[in-house]
Amino acid sequence: GESVGLHLPTLSVQEGDNSIINCAYSNSASDYFIWYKQESGKGPQFIIDIRSNMDKRQGQRVTVLLNKTVKHLSLQIAATQPGDSAVYFCAENFAAGGTSYGKLTFGQGTILTVHP
Amino acid sequence: GAGVSQSPSNKVTEKGKDVELRCDPISGHTALYWYRQSLGQGLEFLIYFQGNSAPDKSGLPSDRFSAERTGGSVSTLTIQRTQQEDSAVYLCASSPRMGSEQYFGPGTRLTVT
Repeated sequence: GESVGLHLPTLSVQEGDNSIINCAYSNSASDYFIWYKQESGKGPQFIIDIRSNMDKRQGQRVTVLLNKTVKHLSLQIAATQPGDSAVYFCAENFAAGGTSYGKLTFGQGTILTVHP
Repeated sequence: GAGVSQSPSNKVTEKGKDVELRCDPISGHTALYWYRQSLGQGLEFLIYFQGNSAPDKSGLPSDRFSAERTGGSVSTLTIQRTQQEDSAVYLCASSPRMGSEQYFGPGTRLTVT
């Protein structure tokens, strides 16, 4: 079946470095993608989203890039801080026949550790 | 404003007992979702409600699982005759409309002994 997956299960960086978290998806009908941050004992926190008619979107210290040709999604975090340490999930929502399905399909997650 | 809230935050139950998990979505959000997260895993979709439409139950793992949403707001996920494999964190999310960003609650950690 089609799924969302992550290339790297763990990522360790130094404070101040830029971080890049990658995600591959296999459902070509996916039209909406979201990145979530999950800290221990908490629910996922929305970071940024992007629709399939865009290839880049920027937020505060974060940028999401979408490459539909190779079905790849990435999250870039600038000037990573210790508070960014968490598990990061990408999720996809796909549409069929112009109708967007509500449920999200999540990847397994990447653990980001930021060392001071 | 208030986010999504869930209760209880933790629930320990004996195998075979029924449990009810509650979700209060963000006011005004028309879509409500339930997911399950096993230890160290990603989220698994269970069910979602959109307005007055019939819910999408395609993710419910067995007929022991059911959910309802009363008055278009609060939702209850019920697990009957709980099994040890039901142990997980159950997360609820709501969104302004289907296909838009989903905001999650803190989850209910269910432990079946």
